[in-house]
Amino acid sequence: DQQVKQNSPSLSVQEGRISILNCDYTNSMFDYFLWYKKYPAEGPTFLISISSIKDKNEDGRFTVFLNKSAKHLSLHIVPSQPGDSAVYFCAARGLFQKLVFGTGTRLLVSP
Amino acid sequence: GAVVSQHPSRVICKSGTSVKIECRSLDFQATTMFWYRQFPKQSLMLMATSNEGSKATYEQGVEKDKFLINHASLTLSTLTVTSAHPEDSSFYICSAREGVPDTQYFGPGTRLTVL
Repeated sequence: DQQVKQNSPSLSVQEGRISILNCDYTNSMFDYFLWYKKYPAEGPTFLISISSIKDKNEDGRFTVFLNKSAKHLSLHIVPSQPGDSAVYFCAARGLFQKLVFGTGTRLLVSP
Repeated sequence: GAVVSQHPSRVICKSGTSVKIECRSLDFQATTMFWYRQFPKQSLMLMATSNEGSKATYEQGVEKDKFLINHASLTLSTLTVTSAHPEDSSFYICSAREGVPDTQYFGPGTRLTVL
C-alpha cells in the first residue's frame, strides 16, 4: 500500500526551463510534506518543506505547492540548472514524526 | 544546515558476522533518530525509530533481534546487523530530527555487502 506516490520515474528538462515534480498521497492525516534530493550512494538532502495548513512555500529557485483537496503536491524548480540533476523524493510526515517516502523521480537537466 | 555523519560508509563482511553502523548528529542534539534501508532503485523504507534513552520502535516486518539499535546519547545512535546474511545487503541510512525547524536530516548512508 503505497501511501506516497511519484508517478513519473524520470523527467528531462533543458537548462533554464522549469522543472515540475509531482507527488500524490492518500493519507489525509499527514501534517507535513518535504522534498529531498538524492545522489547515488548518498543520503537525501533536505530541500524544502510545507505544512499541511499552507498551500505554497518558496525558497529561492524552489517552490512547493500543496493541494490538500486533491492530495497532491508539486515541486517547481526555476530556472533549472544541470547541477539539479538528481533523484527527488517527496516525503510525508505521519504519526510519531515518521516519514513516508515516495519512489522518487530522476531529474535530468541538460545544458 | 544540520550535519549528520555515518560510519562506516562501506562495509563488506562474511555471512554470520555482525556489523555495527554509527550515526552521529554533529552540530545539534537529536532526541529522535531514524534508520532506513534502501534497495536499488527503490524508495527509502523506515526500519525503526530510535529515541534517546529508551528502546527503539521497529516497523512491522523488521526483526528487532536482527537489527539492534542503541541510542545512548543525544548525538549518537548505532545500528548493529547481527548474524548478517547476503539478503541483508543494502544501503542503510540514518536521519536525525532537529526540533527547530522540525526537519529530519540524513546521513550519507552505509553500503553493506554480505558475502
